[in-house]
Amino acid sequence: QSVLTQPPSVSGAPGQRVTISCTGSSSNIGAGYDVHWYQQLPGTAPKLLIYGNSNRPSGVPDRFSGSKSGTSASLAITGLQAEDEADYYCQSYDSSLSGPWVFGGGTKLTVL
Amino acid sequence: EVQLVQSGAEVKKPGESLRISCKGSGYSFTSYWISWVRQMPGKGLEWMGRIDPSDSYTNYSPSFQGHVTISADKSISTAYLQWSSLKASDTAMYYCARHYPPGDIVATTNWFDPWGQGTLVTVSS
Repeated sequence: QSVLTQPPSVSGAPGQRVTISCTGSSSNIGAGYDVHWYQQLPGTAPKLLIYGNSNRPSGVPDRFSGSKSGTSASLAITGLQAEDEADYYCQSYDSSLSGPWVFGGGTKLTVL
Repeated sequence: EVQLVQSGAEVKKPGESLRISCKGSGYSFTSYWISWVRQMPGKGLEWMGRIDPSDSYTNYSPSFQGHVTISADKSISTAYLQWSSLKASDTAMYYCARHYPPGDIVATTNWFDPWGQGTLVTVSS
C-alpha cells in the first residue's frame, strides 16, 4: 500500500488530454511538501518529468504540466502521443514513519 | 554529463551475499546524496534508503532497515547496496538515484535526478 495514491491506469486517444492524480495526506502533500513526477518508459529507468510541483526540466515538452492543491497533485498531458505510453510515478516527502521519501503506486498510461 | 552507472545483472542463490554498485560521474560526488530504489517485477517504485557520500551517514525506510546496508567509497565516487543473506523475495530491479538539490537543509524538497540504469537481481535456487 503506497503512501501516495494514484489510479492504476488511464488511457486516451492520440491528441487528447489526460490527467493523473496523486493523493496524499497531512504528513506529505498536505503538509506543503513538493510533489515530483517521473516517467518510466517500458524497460527503462525512471526519468524526472516534473519537479517542484510544476517545473519542467530542460528537454521535457510543455505538453507535460503539474499542479498541486491541498493534499493532492496532478500531472496533465496534452496532445497525447504514442511515445507517451509509459508508467508515471509521483513522489514527495513524508514526515511520518513511512518516509522520508515516498512514491505513488504508479499509473500506466495507455495511448489508444 | 551527470551520470550514474550501475553494476551488471546478478543471479544468486538464497542465503548468498551480494553487493551492487553505483558509480557517479560528471559532478561532485560528495555534494549530493544517493538513494536506492527497489522495483519488484511488475510493481512500483519503493524508496529503500539513502547515503550522504561525504560522511557515509545513512537512513533507511522502515521496510528495509536491517535487511540491506548502504555504503559509499568517496575515493572512487561509488555507492553500494548490499545483502548478507539473500531471499527469493529480493528478486527485483534496483536503481540508484541522485538527490537534488544538494544539502540537508532542503531535504524535504528533494527529487531524484539522474537515475542509474538499474541492476536486476535474481535470487533463485
